[in-house]
Amino acid sequence: DTGVSQDPRHKITKRGQNVTFRCDPISEHNRLYWYRQTLGQGPEFLTYFQNEAQLEKSRLLSDRFSAERPKGSFSTLEIQRTEQGDSAMYLCASSLILSPFEQFFGPGTRLTVL
Amino acid sequence: QKEVEQNSGPLSVPEGAIASLNCTYSDRGSQSFFWYRQYSGKSPELIMFIYSNGDKEDGRFTAQLNKASQYVSLLIRDSQPSDSATYLCAVNEGNTGNQFYFGTGTSLTVIP
Repeated sequence: DTGVSQDPRHKITKRGQNVTFRCDPISEHNRLYWYRQTLGQGPEFLTYFQNEAQLEKSRLLSDRFSAERPKGSFSTLEIQRTEQGDSAMYLCASSLILSPFEQFFGPGTRLTVL
Repeated sequence: QKEVEQNSGPLSVPEGAIASLNCTYSDRGSQSFFWYRQYSGKSPELIMFIYSNGDKEDGRFTAQLNKASQYVSLLIRDSQPSDSATYLCAVNEGNTGNQFYFGTGTSLTVIP
């Protein structure tokens, strides 16, 4: 158990629907990352936060994706108008600013878009 | 687009042997390099990271970095069946730990 939690663990939705995922990082961790992983691939960076500030966002990320971390604690990732290509495991990771390389991953949310 | 290349495998080694996993990267500006282990159906976990040329050892694991050749490897000594997993190589372009670029991973099977 790494201490990062994600909810829900599984989500099945129909194409065109909006979905929202939540990530609770390890309590003292300032940095929070979102990744997407499909079968046979490594995690793909989506975005990251330092406290409540979203500092980087992948250029490959569609405008249908948005993330927030309103109080510098938990974060949400929303996907609007889901497409079948959005089906993937969405991983959240957190780290300390002083140890930015030691990312701890959560269990992930598996999204299936029908 | 920064690329991280790994042989997808599968790589099979007998128990007790040395497993050698390799990774190359395209961006010469990459500063830090990471090895993660991912068991099937689980999330990645950090094994070790390296940012200086040469070797770094941690228990049965040794990471090797050659920036001139843009090459990083992971050696696992005395391989155990519990080491059977996918090993992900990742790189980071700077010293601030922002964007991490992952390879597709190498599947390792340790045969008892």
